Amino acid sequence: EVQLVESGGGLVQPGWSLRLSCTASGFIFGDYAMSWVRHVPGKGLEWVSFIRAKAYGGETHYATSVKDRFIISRDDSKSIAYLQMNSLTTEDTAVYYCTRAGSYLGYYFDYWGQGALVTVSS
Amino acid sequence: DIVITQSPDSLTVSLGERATINCKSSQNILASSRNKNYLAWYQRKPGQPPKLLMYWGSTRESGVPDRFSGSGSGTDFTLTISSVQAEDVAVYYCQQYYVNAITFGQGTRLEIK
Repeated sequence: EVQLVESGGGLVQPGWSLRLSCTASGFIFGDYAMSWVRHVPGKGLEWVSFIRAKAYGGETHYATSVKDRFIISRDDSKSIAYLQMNSLTTEDTAVYYCTRAGSYLGYYFDYWGQGALVTVSS
Repeated sequence: DIVITQSPDSLTVSLGERATINCKSSQNILASSRNKNYLAWYQRKPGQPPKLLMYWGSTRESGVPDRFSGSGSGTDFTLTISSVQAEDVAVYYCQQYYVNAITFGQGTRLEIK
């Protein structure tokens, strides 16, 4: 059974940093691209970032709203994806979901974790 | 970025009725060489993560009831629920994955009359 479990969420002040982890199981982690998607309470879904499988170059991409502040990475030996979030603002307050890309041909998200709440507030 | 616009923002239907949700992309998201539309649909219920319903525009994810169907091509897409059930109350999102800058629609809330 595929499982994605996020950890590392919490309450931080504006300008602080936080690192989310996504521990995966039930599939060959290294074969899949992984992504982070966030849901702002009362609003919609926003894609944040993805990282390709190493077999497809391992490149990373970011939404404009987080580019140059967030860094996605992966440790295939541990089946963990990370999201390092720097210079956080109140607009980054959201539930952050770890997701798996369903195909190397196109990144729809077939599995989602339960989410990690990140609250940025002074 | 590709802008995805859903309509309506909310929809109220009676049990057993058909529900139709539209999704319009600001750019073509059909890859002609593969004949695939790079569009997915998700269902999000309160307190739960989103659930994948459809991908490639019209391919139903395993385990999704066949009352859900996806159609459309290019820039205009539709999610249809042929006979709405009580458990279908949720917010529905479409997503394009044609370009690296993935984008979602704003969501459509489905309620029962």
